[in-house]
Amino acid sequence: DAGVIQSPRHEVTEMGQEVTLRCKPISGHNSLFWYRQTMMRGLELLIYFNNNVPIDDSGMPEDRFSAKMPNASFSTLKIQPSEPRDSAVYFCASSLFGVSYGYTFGSGTRLTVV
Amino acid sequence: GESVGLHLPTLSVQEGDNSIINCAYSNSASDYFIWYKQESGKGPQFIIDIRSNMDKRQGQRVTVLLNKTVKHLSLQIAATQPGDSAVYFCAENKDTGNQFYFGTGTSLTVIP
Repeated sequence: DAGVIQSPRHEVTEMGQEVTLRCKPISGHNSLFWYRQTMMRGLELLIYFNNNVPIDDSGMPEDRFSAKMPNASFSTLKIQPSEPRDSAVYFCASSLFGVSYGYTFGSGTRLTVV
Repeated sequence: GESVGLHLPTLSVQEGDNSIINCAYSNSASDYFIWYKQESGKGPQFIIDIRSNMDKRQGQRVTVLLNKTVKHLSLQIAATQPGDSAVYFCAENKDTGNQFYFGTGTSLTVIP
């Protein structure tokens, strides 16, 4: 199994631009999570999905952030418009809810907004 | 200006010694806990878990202790190796769902 795959690994963009981060969970996993990691706030849960349905998006910082999961093998996190304070490492994780609670994390996307 | 960030607790140990990493969790109703290891440039990696009906759980070279009275978790690493150098996070499952909330982490450095 290739694990959780995130793309791109690094993204540098200018303030105001739209940014789309992508995630492919482990095949067969039914839960997907988006986290953000910064020095200021540590690891923050942004949103999570069960069976492709968003369950809790209370961690999404503001309306500029949106996440979708159109099918079981793909999710996106979009920031529009991006701001310098969005600079962080964004992690996607997946798990098999009801069987194992342990997450498998991807390698993350390091986003820099200049 | 100077940025203010999380003050990550740090722990330095000699190779071969045992390490103890501590974590205070926030919700007395949390019933499941996981320790993760994060190496530089990588995502967190599952190490060991424990449910609230247990006080202790052992894995290979690692032991997790849970004290529900004071809402405290610890991770013990036996015979610490250079490859154990990383940031260690405890995570708690607060709700009935399967989302986890992470602590601030502890940076472990193993001195050869």
